[in-house]
Amino acid sequence: DAGVIQSPRHEVTEMGQEVTLRCKPISGHDYLFWYRQTMMRGLELLIYFNNNVPIDDSGMPEDRFSAKMPNASFSTLKIQPSEPRDSAVYFCASSLYWQGVGELFFGEGSRLTVL
Amino acid sequence: AQTVTQSQPEMSVQEAETVTLSCTYDTSESDYYLFWYKQPPSRQMILVIRQEAYKQQNATENRFSVNFQKAAKSFSLKISDSQLGDAAMYFCAYSNRFGNEKLTFGTGTRLTIIP
Repeated sequence: DAGVIQSPRHEVTEMGQEVTLRCKPISGHDYLFWYRQTMMRGLELLIYFNNNVPIDDSGMPEDRFSAKMPNASFSTLKIQPSEPRDSAVYFCASSLYWQGVGELFFGEGSRLTVL
Repeated sequence: AQTVTQSQPEMSVQEAETVTLSCTYDTSESDYYLFWYKQPPSRQMILVIRQEAYKQQNATENRFSVNFQKAAKSFSLKISDSQLGDAAMYFCAYSNRFGNEKLTFGTGTRLTIIP
């Protein structure tokens, strides 16, 4: 398997624009996680899905953030409208089991810069 | 809530030498999982080693081993025969046994390998 695939790898946009980040998990993995990494806050879990169903979105910072998983092989994280404080690296990860039990497989991340 | 503390923001070691990265955690649980994840400059996080709290034997993966001191709530990572490819951020992480809480990450230790 190719691993978790994220796109774009880098995104530079202007404040107020819509941003969509994409993720393809490893085939067969039941869990998908979206994380955000910043220097100030470290790694934060934003939301996770189990079998395509959102289970816990308590980490989503604001209503400007939304995530979907229309099928087992694709997920999106959308920010609308984007703000400079959203600048961060966004990671998607997948696993066979709940994150605390088994190994998490991370993508290479999407570095978002909002000007 | 559980906390994970990595008190060494940066560490450096000569190539071929041994280095130990520290991690302490706070929990009231008796059974849990501990992890070390590596994040190289490519950004993709990779699981290095995993320890189950009910196992007294320290986990080992090739040049990587842990010193798990349950009573002291300490979980250090030892890297033997350091190689240039070991240069990365290392994150300690905790999860309870039942996986019904978020995986908690430390703030990371940046390891530099000196040729």
